[in-house]
Amino acid sequence: GIQVEQSPPDLILQEGANSTLRCNFSDSVNNLQWFHQNPWGQLINLFYIPSGTKQNGRLSATTVATERYSLLYISSSQTTDSGVYFCAVGNSNSGYALNFGKGTSLLVTP
Amino acid sequence: DTEVTQTPKHLVMGMTNKKSLKCEQHMGHRAMYWYKQKAKKPPELMFVYSYEKLSINESVPSRFSPECPNSSLLNLHLHALQPEDSALYLCASSQDASSGSKFFGPGTRLTVL
Repeated sequence: GIQVEQSPPDLILQEGANSTLRCNFSDSVNNLQWFHQNPWGQLINLFYIPSGTKQNGRLSATTVATERYSLLYISSSQTTDSGVYFCAVGNSNSGYALNFGKGTSLLVTP
Repeated sequence: DTEVTQTPKHLVMGMTNKKSLKCEQHMGHRAMYWYKQKAKKPPELMFVYSYEKLSINESVPSRFSPECPNSSLLNLHLHALQPEDSALYLCASSQDASSGSKFFGPGTRLTVL
């Protein structure tokens, strides 16, 4: 299946700081999503972004499909941004089901 | 209504019990999924239903049995589980299997004693 690598595995930020999370994948994909998993386990959709750039408030994402990576930018971080951020990808070989990376665990301190 | 609901939220069962997890979506999606997530690990795919047909069944033990009564409902029947099956079970849906966002429910946290 598609290999998905996320970096960094852990990140601690002070409130107000900016950060960049990276997702590398091993094959061409037609589905790429970024999720935020809150402490209760809910996976919250952030972006559906198999290619291109999108922005939603303080978050933005860019996927360079030809180079097989995606970046998630968090600006002016808040304590509520804490949690685990997952990148997940899929293609026809995976039956289009999502393969998840191991995640980036983010802690934003006051 | 962009929501996937799951019941129950929590479930504790013994190894000889039979129980079912339920998932429902009202977005008109035609693909639904079960994922299993152990603590501090990413979700792992268990089953995919696309247009009410099971299209992927990986090496999941037969003590897990999926059922898709209609395009809005997805059940996961549990029988003779082991303590190592304790995990968060997540349901998801998407417009179809080949494209578009997958939306996840809040999960059922299962403990097997």
